[in-house]
Amino acid sequence: EAGVAQSPRYKIIEKRQSVAFWCNPISGHATLYWYQQILGQGPKLLIQFQNNGVVDDSQLPKDRFSAERLKGVDSTLKIQPAKLEDSAVYLCASSSPRGSETQYFGPGTRLLVL
Amino acid sequence: AQSVTQPDIHITVSEGASLELRCNYSYGATPYLFWYVQSPGQGLQLLLKYFSGDTLVQGIKGFEAEFKRSQSSFNLRKPSVHWSDAAEYFCAVGAWSGGATNKLIFGTGTLLAVQP
Repeated sequence: EAGVAQSPRYKIIEKRQSVAFWCNPISGHATLYWYQQILGQGPKLLIQFQNNGVVDDSQLPKDRFSAERLKGVDSTLKIQPAKLEDSAVYLCASSSPRGSETQYFGPGTRLLVL
Repeated sequence: AQSVTQPDIHITVSEGASLELRCNYSYGATPYLFWYVQSPGQGLQLLLKYFSGDTLVQGIKGFEAEFKRSQSSFNLRKPSVHWSDAAEYFCAVGAWSGGATNKLIFGTGTLLAVQP
């Protein structure tokens, strides 16, 4: 079974530029999560989707961050414009709502904002 | 509010020695508890999880953890550490979100170094 796929793996941009990250969850997983992991900290949930609907986006900085999951499968997270403090690893995870409640994580996208 | 505390930022052990990583949580109901491991440049890999039942849970790579409700703890243990165990370890509690599946609240992590 293929795991959670993310791209790109690394991205370097200048502040005020825009950037987008892509995630493909495990096949059949209805729930998709985006987490932000700042250096030296644990991951923090940004947004959670159930199929293509948003369940929780309470910690998403909506003035600059946006995310979508149009067909209930792939998802895109966008930052526009980026700030220095957005430098972090962006992790995508997916889970099936039936049974285990276990989240499976992708390798992450490491973003550096200069 | 739900929270997870990992009091040890950095731990160094000798290869072959035993290991215990501490985790304390704050959650109003019976928690779902997880331990994940993160190697440099990698995503998070699930080591083990507790949902209910037996309070001593076994995971992959020889790890185990014990849920102690009275102490609000879920400490991770391994009897004999291998050099390949060097990584960062995260404890997390699952918090129900909007009636759907749960989100994870993570601790700040414990970085494990293994001496030869």
